Amino acid sequence: DGGITQSPKYLFRKEGQNVTLSCEQNLNHDAMYWYRQDPGQGLRLIYYSQIVNDFQKGDIAEGYSVSREKKESFPLTVTSAQKNPTAFYLCASSNMESFTGELFFGEGSRLTVL
Amino acid sequence: SQQGEEDPQALSIQEGENATMNCSYKTSINNLQWYRQNSGRGLVHLILIRSNEREKHSGRLRVTLDTSKKSSSLLITASRAADTASYFCATEADRGSTLGRLYFGRGTQLTVWP
Repeated sequence: DGGITQSPKYLFRKEGQNVTLSCEQNLNHDAMYWYRQDPGQGLRLIYYSQIVNDFQKGDIAEGYSVSREKKESFPLTVTSAQKNPTAFYLCASSNMESFTGELFFGEGSRLTVL
Repeated sequence: SQQGEEDPQALSIQEGENATMNCSYKTSINNLQWYRQNSGRGLVHLILIRSNEREKHSGRLRVTLDTSKKSSSLLITASRAADTASYFCATEADRGSTLGRLYFGRGTQLTVWP
């Protein structure tokens, strides 16, 4: 089945630690996105990438880093510089060639800072 | 901000009733989309309406768009308990900005009681 796989589903981190969230897709989509969701809030864009080896900051990139070495993979690192990292993180992808506007989402990763 | 805003924040109805959610936005858009999110899960695309369309149907879903008022509505007819979820509108800016760049609202939490 084609789709987006995020791991881990739950992650606990001590203050001062960096953590990396995995996002893999087998939809052959060019574009990938990372969103953050806080309780009762909408989604806010962290980073996005439209092509391998290139990515752009979204609205709340501070304290986060990404890489796009392969088309299928777009990992997000939450660094110790992120002051309030506890949140639900969602990865998404879209097909740029025949772009219909639709984003395909993974099931999310919930990060809790202890 | 171009972020859409849903109204109401929460909606509680009985099975069989219709559910109407509204979305307002601030700037010109290329299209508007509605997504559904079950608790603790990823978002699922429901329907997309382009800026030159006024109404669209998909199964029990009906979406309208009024670009003069910068607003949209999502109607779910004959609601079922399984429709219980959060519903988000997302807008894609006019071309010239990043393709696939969506702005999400805070969502409407719909509860359908058996």
